[in-house]
Amino acid sequence: DIQMTQSPSSLSASVGDRVTITCQANQDIRKYLNWYQQRPGNAPKLLIYDASTLETGVPSRFSGSGSGTSFSFTISSLQPEDIATYYCQQYDSFPWTFGQGTKVGIK
Amino acid sequence: QVQLVQSGAEVKKPGASVTVSCKASGYTFSNYEITWVRQALGQGPEWMGWISTYNGNTRYAQKFQGRVTMTSDTSTSTAYMELGSLRSDDTAVYYCARVVSSSDPSIYYYYMDAWGNGTTVTVSS
Repeated sequence: DIQMTQSPSSLSASVGDRVTITCQANQDIRKYLNWYQQRPGNAPKLLIYDASTLETGVPSRFSGSGSGTSFSFTISSLQPEDIATYYCQQYDSFPWTFGQGTKVGIK
Repeated sequence: QVQLVQSGAEVKKPGASVTVSCKASGYTFSNYEITWVRQALGQGPEWMGWISTYNGNTRYAQKFQGRVTMTSDTSTSTAYMELGSLRSDDTAVYYCARVVSSSDPSIYYYYMDAWGNGTTVTVSS
C-alpha cells in the first residue's frame, strides 16, 4: 500500500495568516491526489482534486500543488471557519490511502 | 441536491456481522460508483472498497477481502456494505461516498464529492 505522510500533524495560526500543509507519498503517485477538510462530527468534504483543481464552490483561498511524491496544500488567508482537520488522499493505485491528517487551529 | 443518507448506529458483539445502508438521491444512481470509507476515533480515514452501481462490480481493499461484501440496488438507489467477523478494532464511523471519475479514457481522476452522514458501528462484548 502507498503510505501518505502529512506534516505538521497540527498547527495554530492567526486569522489572516498563510498556512501550508505538506503531504509526502512513499512512491510516485503522479498528480493523483485529493485534499479533504473534515470539521468535528462531520464527514470529509472535498476541497481539491487532481492535486491542484479546486472543487466547485470551494473558496479560492484554498489551493494545492505538487506531483510525484511531494505535495502541498495552502490556505492563503486563514479564516475562523477553516478550523478543521485536513487530509490528503492518493488514488494512483488501490487501495486508496489517506494521510494521518493535519489539525488546524486558531491562535 | 445530491444526498447520501445512511442507516443508524449499530452495536454488535465480536464475531457478528453488520450491514450499513446508503440511500442516494438527487442524481442518477447508476452513473457513479459508491465507495466505503471508515474512520476510527482520532484516526485518519481508511478506504474499504467500492462498487459499480452500474454493473455490480466490486473492488475491495486486501485488508477486508473475505470479510466485506458491497452490494447495490438500483431500484431503490441504495448501496449496502456488510462486514462480518467483527472485532473490537472494527469500531468506527463508516461512511459511503459518491465517486466521480473521468468519462474520457485519456484523463484519469477519481474523487469523492458527496458523503453520507456516517454510521457509528460499535463492537463490544
